[in-house]
Amino acid sequence: GQSLEQPSEVTAVEGAIVQINCTYQTSGFYGLSWYQQHDGGAPTFLSYNALDGLEETGRFSSFLSRSDSYGYLLLQELQMKDSASYFCAVGRRAGNMLTFGGGTRLMVKP
Amino acid sequence: NAGVTQTPKFQVLKTGQSMTLQCAQDMNHEYMSWYRQDPGMGLRLIHYSVGAGITDQGEVPNGYNVSRSTTEDFPLRLLSAAPSQTSVYFCASSYDDSSSYEQYFGPGTRLTVT
Repeated sequence: GQSLEQPSEVTAVEGAIVQINCTYQTSGFYGLSWYQQHDGGAPTFLSYNALDGLEETGRFSSFLSRSDSYGYLLLQELQMKDSASYFCAVGRRAGNMLTFGGGTRLMVKP
Repeated sequence: NAGVTQTPKFQVLKTGQSMTLQCAQDMNHEYMSWYRQDPGMGLRLIHYSVGAGITDQGEVPNGYNVSRSTTEDFPLRLLSAAPSQTSVYFCASSYDDSSSYEQYFGPGTRLTVT
């Protein structure tokens, strides 16, 4: 089977840094993706790690350790608009056939 | 490009009714998939397709059928609606190769079964 664990809720203040962790147990692992979803909206792609290490895209970075079955999403210089749910997802083919975690609801406070 | 479009946006069904959720994409993506998202939860894969004429089951396929007669369209059919199928349904598409990691999601269909 497949399972992904991430915290259900995180709260941080504007301008701060927050890290959202994800641990996984899967078969057929190709990589770890992160998606953002605002209330009532569709998931949108943030990042993908196929290899160990850190990927940086603007204020967002994502890290993967395949040996530890662990990854995280790092959000810097938090803005109010970053309040959303964040999902990690394991790809069982390159980038697709995704298995999603339960999501982490991030609340950014002034 | 319109991206991934889904119709209808909202739907209420009675138990036992059938209906088809429509999904279309104009990005010439080979890979298309259907997910359902229950309140406060992640998305679960229902069915997917790696190209026209090819479909396969995901994690939660029971009660749903799909077909893929063209690259653009990937409809999801509910055979006999049940209250347990009340959910938000998302269609997604992507290129089906090892260099493409991003799935593009449609706006979703919010389905209530009474």
